[in-house]
Amino acid sequence: AQKITQTQPGMFVQEKEAVTLDCTYDTSDPSYGLFWYKQPSSGEMIFLIYQGSYDQQNATEGRYSLNFQKARKSANLVISASQLGDSAMYFCAMREVRNNAGNMLTFGGGTRLMVKP
Amino acid sequence: DTGVSQDPRHKITKRGQNVTFRCDPISEHNRLYWYRQTLGQGPEFLTYFQNEAQLEKSRLLSDRFSAERPKGSFSTLEIQRTEQGDSAMYLCASSLARASGGYEQFFGPGTRLTVL
Repeated sequence: AQKITQTQPGMFVQEKEAVTLDCTYDTSDPSYGLFWYKQPSSGEMIFLIYQGSYDQQNATEGRYSLNFQKARKSANLVISASQLGDSAMYFCAMREVRNNAGNMLTFGGGTRLMVKP
Repeated sequence: DTGVSQDPRHKITKRGQNVTFRCDPISEHNRLYWYRQTLGQGPEFLTYFQNEAQLEKSRLLSDRFSAERPKGSFSTLEIQRTEQGDSAMYLCASSLARASGGYEQFFGPGTRLTVL
């Protein structure tokens, strides 16, 4: 079974509009972390935002916020006021703690976001 | 620049040749990870080091692959007798293990391997 599912292979958004990228996850570990990374065409993975499973509030980092719905096992990324430079691949990833002492990440298949001027 | 660096950025080789990639992590980071990313997919974990100890290896890491991290600083990933299926982006990441959580991994620019 997929541990991280990103159901949107590609999305368009108008510049200055907000966009939500979906991510659902599957784990039986009560302690886990969820990450979003951006990968522009240059290939480098850029860390955007982190949400811990025990965090009471949704994480925010500038224009990025994470809509964390634990019961639904979803961790959607919201980008406000989209900019042309936001065009990239976006990956959701999970770190499970109990069976994962090394904290390696499991990634979803990604969503390609294209911002229209 | 104090980020994660990888060398080379691109490598083209013929099937059957050996290749070696290098990763220099962020200097104070004690954990180092290798991932492989094929076209259109998310990265997949290969192996990780805590300091100089290689603590876990994925089933993706066949016996043709070997990784080292002497002295707990830079790391090398060697692929012997390359196959066309090894063509991928090889990503290195580092992190600082700490009790406060987070554990975000910082990635390098990757090495793109093409096996002809």
